[in-house]
Parts: sequence; structure tokens; C-alpha cells
Amino acid sequence: EPEVTQTPSHQVTQMGQEVILRCVPISNHLYFYWYRQILGQKVEFLVSFYNNEISEKSEIFDDQFSVERPDGSNFTLKIRSTKLEDSAMYFCASRPNGPGAYNSPLHFGNGTRLTVT
Amino acid sequence: AQSVTQLGSHVSVSEGALVLLRCNYSSSVPPYLFWYVQYPNQGLQLLLKYTTGATLVKGINGFEAEFKKSETSFHLTKPSAHMSDAAEYFCAVSEAAGNKLTFGGGTRVLVKP
Repeated sequence: EPEVTQTPSHQVTQMGQEVILRCVPISNHLYFYWYRQILGQKVEFLVSFYNNEISEKSEIFDDQFSVERPDGSNFTLKIRSTKLEDSAMYFCASRPNGPGAYNSPLHFGNGTRLTVT
Repeated sequence: AQSVTQLGSHVSVSEGALVLLRCNYSSSVPPYLFWYVQYPNQGLQLLLKYTTGATLVKGINGFEAEFKKSETSFHLTKPSAHMSDAAEYFCAVSEAAGNKLTFGGGTRVLVKP
């Protein structure tokens, strides 16, 4: 069964550094999402992406965050200047488009654990 | 705005006993409702979903959930717990196609032998 893959599984970075989290969504999916889960807290929506542009973003997704689909397969989340409070598990998800897909669930990757020191 | 409340951050059940995880939602429009499971060091896996039609939905691993509009609830049950059911379970709501999922706080299930 096709799956969403995320790399790396664990990233450690120093405060103020830039990080790029990478995701390869399922190949025929067209909606992409990033979520994060701070340790012990709920899974929070960051951003959704469709047709090469952001379709919705949360208050968390401020100017230090950006997303990109640089080619036909990757979907990236960039954090420009990391802060201690950015430490979390980041999940990528994708959803198909097309007839009948309007109520389809999100397919999640296994996540990237980001640790900011 | 949509929101989800899961009652109980931790639930402990004996193997073979009923598993009941509670989820209440708020939504301004008819919702789409989902239950996801997260095993340690893994991503979120869909257990089941409710979109339209039958209010009792069956999912994988013997789980089922019932949508009750009058109670704004979508509780998850399994008649007989198995050790492999130990995981964290998340209820989520979506208000429309393509929209984001809003998750509850999660319930961690411990299964005792």
C-alpha cells in the first residue's frame, strides 16, 4: 500500500538555525498538509497546500515557516530560525483529489522529531 | 470553529474487556469524523471514519464508532481489548472537503494482562 514518507526521522538543530523537513506524499495525491505535535500535547494543524499554493494556515504558521513543492514528488517544510519551542514531532499528510475523494481521510507519514537545543 | 474534546487522557483496560473512548465535537456544519491510532514511534493510522449515511461505522482491528448528532458525540468502542491495542487514539473532525482535520487531545490506552 502506498504511504507518505518523511525524512529524516529525527533532526537535532541549534536554536537560530534553519531546518528543512522533507516529505514525499502518495503519488496521486494533490492535497498536502503539515501538522505538529509538541510532546504531551495535541496534534495541531499548521498548513494545507493545494495546486501549488497554501490553501489554509494556522496562527502557528508565522513568517518563520514556509512550505514548498520543489518538484513533482517532494513537499517540504522550512523553519527559518528555529526556537526552542519549535521542538516537536512534525507530521506530513496527503489526501487524494478527484471524484469521490472529497470525504477521503488524510494519510500521515511517520513524522520527523525535531529537537532544538 | 470546529473543536474536539476527548474525555480522559489515559484509559486502562484489562485484556478481553470493553474499550470505550469518548469523543465530543463541536461544528457549525455537519461534520466528517475520524478516529486515528498512533503506535509508539509511528504516524497516525486511520481506524475509521464517518461522513454520511449509517451512523454506526466499523473500522479496522475490531473497532467501531457511533455518530450521535443529538449528543455531538463519536465514541469509539471495541468489545474485547487485545494487548496490541495499546496505543494513543485521536478523534478528529473536518467540516468540509479538503479542509484541515482538527484533533482532540488524544487518549492513551494501556491494556493489562
